[in-house]
Amino acid sequence: ETGVTQTPRHLVMGMTNKKSLKCEQHLGHNAMYWYKQSAKKPLELMFVYSLEERVENNSVPSRFSPECPNSSHLFLHLHTLQPEDSALYLCASSLRSREDGYTFGSGTRLTVV
Amino acid sequence: GDSVTQMEGPVTLSEEAFLTINCTYTATGYPSLFWYVQYPGEGLQLLLKATKADDKGSNKGFEATYRKETTSFHLEKGSVQVSDSAVYFCALSDLRWAGTYKYIFGTGTRLKVLA
Repeated sequence: ETGVTQTPRHLVMGMTNKKSLKCEQHLGHNAMYWYKQSAKKPLELMFVYSLEERVENNSVPSRFSPECPNSSHLFLHLHTLQPEDSALYLCASSLRSREDGYTFGSGTRLTVV
Repeated sequence: GDSVTQMEGPVTLSEEAFLTINCTYTATGYPSLFWYVQYPGEGLQLLLKATKADDKGSNKGFEATYRKETTSFHLEKGSVQVSDSAVYFCALSDLRWAGTYKYIFGTGTRLKVLA
């Protein structure tokens, strides 16, 4: 248990479904991140929230929609995904102004069929 | 922009062998440097870090020294175990977004240790 909890751990969804990934931390961190990890590719930073404000959106398709209702929770809403969106989605958190590194969750393994 | 380059894997070693995984970086400032480890089916975990030149980070028998003159942060372990089999990521810090740090990762190096 790292202190960052992601649910669900595994998700299979059809291309027409709508689902959400959840991330929760109670470490007192004030920045949260979504990363995509695909086989044989570098980690891709998708979204960054700092003090609950979105500060980066790395050209992510609109079928991915993040939400950060408070400093402890982060969601990634998914709709009309494509098979190439199948990947491990990692949430991370940090203290924004400290160089202590991220704390990652265990990830959600997403399969789009 | 800032970047991290890691050696290509996979690296396959026998148990008790010496491990080196190379990491070099480019940065305009003076970043902190990190090694993360990812075990199968898990997220990344911070393994060790160094915040300034000549600092040595260490944890669980792993070590890495921040070498500013060669812009390197190579990961070493004197005697690996089967349980060290994982993917190792080198990373550096980058100050962005009005005071929030971002971390730039290398592509990861897979280590396989055989009994």
